[in-house]
Amino acid sequence: GESVGLHLPTLSVQEGDNSIINCAYSNSASDYFIWYKQESGKGPQFIIDIRSNMDKRQGQRVTVLLNKTVKHLSLQIAATQPGDSAVYFCAENRGNDMRFGAGTRLTVKP
Amino acid sequence: DTGVSQDPRHKITKRGQNVTFRCDPISEHNRLYWYRQTLGQGPEFLTYFQNEAQLEKSRLLSDRFSAERPKGSFSTLEIQRTEQGDSAMYLCASSPAQGRSTEAFFGQGTRLTVV
Repeated sequence: GESVGLHLPTLSVQEGDNSIINCAYSNSASDYFIWYKQESGKGPQFIIDIRSNMDKRQGQRVTVLLNKTVKHLSLQIAATQPGDSAVYFCAENRGNDMRFGAGTRLTVKP
Repeated sequence: DTGVSQDPRHKITKRGQNVTFRCDPISEHNRLYWYRQTLGQGPEFLTYFQNEAQLEKSRLLSDRFSAERPKGSFSTLEIQRTEQGDSAMYLCASSPAQGRSTEAFFGQGTRLTVV
């Protein structure tokens, strides 16, 4: 069935290193994706989005890559900081709602 | 406007009681969503409003659940005869545009514990 899922449930990186969080989707008709960050006890916070007519989009310290051929997207965080520790979700926008994966917990070690 | 506001932040109730949550979206956002999130999972879609019209409901929204957005501004989510399985974080989100490619802004959520 259609789904949005993540490859790894946890990721631990050293402060200052780059982080890469991956996400796979199965609905080839999906045309808009969003990455959210969720800290403990808080609601998801928008990080960056990408439309299917793009392969790459950059923000402040974050880059999202979209590979439509293999239906995969990734979130790259440069120079990871302790404040980046959170759960990261990719979401597939279906017009009326967004479908989320289970999330990847990123832990940044000092 | 400081974003999407949800009230209360936490709610503990006894099984069988009714609870009601409120969401105030960002001003002039015409789309409003309710999601449920359990521990270790991503948010699950419950329902969606375009202005005051409830346009879609998930099968997760049993007949014990009802949502309203009477004036197209704030929304309420009511759960009747609560069950322990209803314990979760209930998230509200809003978005401004009518197109597909628009991010939603989430509130801090209401954490419900049914004992």
